[in-house]
Amino acid sequence: NAGVTQTPKFQVLKTGQSMTLQCAQDMNHNSMYWYRQDPGMGLRLIYYSASEGTTDKGEVPNGYNVSRLNKREFSLRLESAAPSQTSVYFCASSESYGYNYGYTFGSGTRLTVV
Amino acid sequence: QKEVEQNSGPLSVPEGAIASLNCTYSDRVSQSFFWYRQYSGKSPELIMSIYSNGDKEDGRFTAQLNKASQYVSLLIRDSQPSDSATYLCAVNFNKFYFGSGTKLNVKP
Repeated sequence: NAGVTQTPKFQVLKTGQSMTLQCAQDMNHNSMYWYRQDPGMGLRLIYYSASEGTTDKGEVPNGYNVSRLNKREFSLRLESAAPSQTSVYFCASSESYGYNYGYTFGSGTRLTVV
Repeated sequence: QKEVEQNSGPLSVPEGAIASLNCTYSDRVSQSFFWYRQYSGKSPELIMSIYSNGDKEDGRFTAQLNKASQYVSLLIRDSQPSDSATYLCAVNFNKFYFGSGTKLNVKP
């Protein structure tokens, strides 16, 4: 009964390095999301995938790319990390993309860019 | 103007009291409203959802929605120290928007 699994849990990058955050859910959910959480800013949507095969930009997509690999997996890539991308990243999933569905969140990735 | 506003707190209440957490939102066409609890260093977890005006009760939690006044609140009865956390309000205007959260401290 894992729910939403994110890897890694912690990461330190140097400016300009790249990395991919992995997310997988085992609840057969159709929709998946990537958020970042910064102090005082709340959760902000980076990208989402309403269903397998689709991805769309959220509120703060610049500097990120995503891949919906299959129904279970949704990855977030930082091509050239910047200190402004230091944050806690959460992956989430929901049964479907619609107003009635709450999210299940993964445990988060704490990313520091130096 | 932020779409979802919450007082950042901290809100301090004694053990056994009622904690009242409030949230206002900007868009009148919002259809669904959610409360999440987030313990320090952990991920948010869904505790309540509400879609219609009025009250919805689940154990010690009651969500209240007033669409005309554009606010949603969460009442926690018989507050326990284990309720100490940050509570996030989320509103769906076609996409989810989260408030920045209210930190609740329940003092033994």
